[in-house]
Amino acid sequence: KQEVTQIPAALSVPEGENLVLNCSFTDSAIYNLQWFRQDPGKGLTSLLLIQSSQREQTSGRLNASLDKSSGRSTLYIAASQPGDSATYLCAVRQRSGSARQLTFGSGTQLTVLP
Amino acid sequence: NAGVTQTPKFQVLKTGQSMTLQCAQDMNHNSMYWYRQDPGMGLRLIYYSASEGTTDKGEVPNGYNVSRLNKREFSLRLESAAPSQTSVYFCASRESSQPQHFGDGTRLSIL
Repeated sequence: KQEVTQIPAALSVPEGENLVLNCSFTDSAIYNLQWFRQDPGKGLTSLLLIQSSQREQTSGRLNASLDKSSGRSTLYIAASQPGDSATYLCAVRQRSGSARQLTFGSGTQLTVLP
Repeated sequence: NAGVTQTPKFQVLKTGQSMTLQCAQDMNHNSMYWYRQDPGMGLRLIYYSASEGTTDKGEVPNGYNVSRLNKREFSLRLESAAPSQTSVYFCASRESSQPQHFGDGTRLSIL
């Protein structure tokens, strides 16, 4: 059974810092990996999706990398801003199984201090 | 664009009561999903529907039933609510290899 772990559970940084969020998974037979953002009381917003054949994806100040062989992904946030404060979740989609279900990590709660 | 709409946003039930959570998407997606989110546990899949007319169990289906009413709508029913079903419920939809789109959730408390 796939297990997804995110460490740390919470992170607090001053504004302007570059930071890295970590995600690890136990089964490397994945179809893709996604990073989501969740604001308090809201649903999840997809940030980046990396296919299993890709090494990284970039969107603005966000860069996500994928090392399938080691079961790791990182989300790099450059020049952090208070508006980046949210919970960030990673999720992997397996290659096997109907509808290729997503398995989620429990998230990293990020606070960017002004 | 509405995206994925969930109703109600909040609900309080007594143990043993029943209710249906509604979900509708306007993106013409084939696949729809119901998740629950509990503190420290991430999201867990309850049921999903890969296409209109099909439904399948996810990781935690016990105590729930679903109906894929048409391509737009996917409802989740609690027949006899239990305190262990207190959670935030999210509906999502997607198409092919695209990211999932989520609703804002239903916060359900069972006393």
